[in-house]
Amino acid sequence: ETGVTQTPRHLVMGMTNKKSLKCEQHLGHNAMYWYKQSAKKPLELMFVYNFKEQTENNSVPSRFSPECPNSSHLFLHLHTLQPEDSALYLCASSQDRPIRGTEAFFGQGTRLTVV
Amino acid sequence: SQQGEEDPQALSIQEGENATMNCSYKTSINNLQWYRQNSGRGLVHLILIRSNEREKHSGRLRVTLDTSKKSSSLLITASRAADTASYFCATAHSGGYQKVTFGIGTKLQVIP
Repeated sequence: ETGVTQTPRHLVMGMTNKKSLKCEQHLGHNAMYWYKQSAKKPLELMFVYNFKEQTENNSVPSRFSPECPNSSHLFLHLHTLQPEDSALYLCASSQDRPIRGTEAFFGQGTRLTVV
Repeated sequence: SQQGEEDPQALSIQEGENATMNCSYKTSINNLQWYRQNSGRGLVHLILIRSNEREKHSGRLRVTLDTSKKSSSLLITASRAADTASYFCATAHSGGYQKVTFGIGTKLQVIP
């Protein structure tokens, strides 16, 4: 148990659906991240929030919409996804920016399948 | 662009043997971290080495960093079946803000 909880663990959605992924951390961390992990590809950083402010959007399509209402919660809203968006979506948090040498704590991930 | 690149991509060893995984990167870093991931689960932080450090130990793990060659290695000694997992290196870039870049990972299988 890393202290970062993601729900749901598995999600199957149609291309016209709208769904949301949720991430929660009670570690008192200031930075939260969304990563996408596809088979045989490096982990891709999608979004970074620092003190609830989005500080990085790594050229992610607009069909992915993040929301950070407070420093403990992070959402990823999904709409009109494509089959190639099927992947493991990982949330992470860290006390400070990685450049300062703090480790990231990851959730268990949401396995998303778009049909 | 991809920063850390692990080598080999897959490794299979007998229990009790040592496992060595390598990571190469392209641009200057502030620190390098190794993570472990069990199948379909989240990543777990193993060890962090800063750019001014050359070697670090944690239990059966030994990490080295050679900034002149832009490479790092992770050694797991006396491997156990429970060490079976994917191992990733992650680099925090110098001059960057807070981006940590991961490689594809090395899939380690330890055969009992």
